[in-house]
Amino acid sequence: QQPVQSPQAVILREGEDAVINCSSSKALYSVHWYRQKHGEAPVFLMILLKGGEQKGHDKISASFNEKKQQSSLYLTASQLSYSGTYFCGTELGSGGSNYKLTFGKGTLLTVNP
Amino acid sequence: DSGVTQTPKHLITATGQRVTLRCSPRSGDLSVYWYQQSLDQGLQFLIQYYNGEERAKGNILERFSAQQFPDLHSELNLSSLELGDSALYFCASSATGFGETQYFGPGTRLLVL
Repeated sequence: QQPVQSPQAVILREGEDAVINCSSSKALYSVHWYRQKHGEAPVFLMILLKGGEQKGHDKISASFNEKKQQSSLYLTASQLSYSGTYFCGTELGSGGSNYKLTFGKGTLLTVNP
Repeated sequence: DSGVTQTPKHLITATGQRVTLRCSPRSGDLSVYWYQQSLDQGLQFLIQYYNGEERAKGNILERFSAQQFPDLHSELNLSSLELGDSALYFCASSATGFGETQYFGPGTRLLVL
């Protein structure tokens, strides 16, 4: 039930783009994206609900492909501040244990000058 | 600052002991979640409360218990502690508890010696 994230790690130079993928074997209601810096709490980036919408703010956006049960996080023109571990979390739907948010293992993103 | 507070920030204790972690949600949020984060297990959902009632249970051990009080603060009780319980414990809150942003507290770092 744990979503699978890829890649596990990526190293970029400032200004480069990256895509992080999150896949589930189960039908999803929502996908959440968080960024966590070492020793700090996860920080919310965005949430995508069933319906295949795409969201974004600043140079970070995400999409949700309902047919493939896959979400992708797009980071464009990366900045040093983008460094951290990116987690996707998935909700299966309403009711019972489906309420729980299950996180992937994370993608470590390093942006170098 | 997410508005979620957790105490204590750090806790060092011995095997076999019992500890209580406390969480105050953001003002107005009715739902509280507890997560455990360790190097080998990643970020794992433990339990969720909504307005005082348990809503969803994740990978929470029988030695662990939680509750949400009428003023909406929550406590996570960990008993018969083992070395493997050493981890970061995060509390998060959200308005209603489904398909929405979860705001994470700064976490409590537990070290069991």
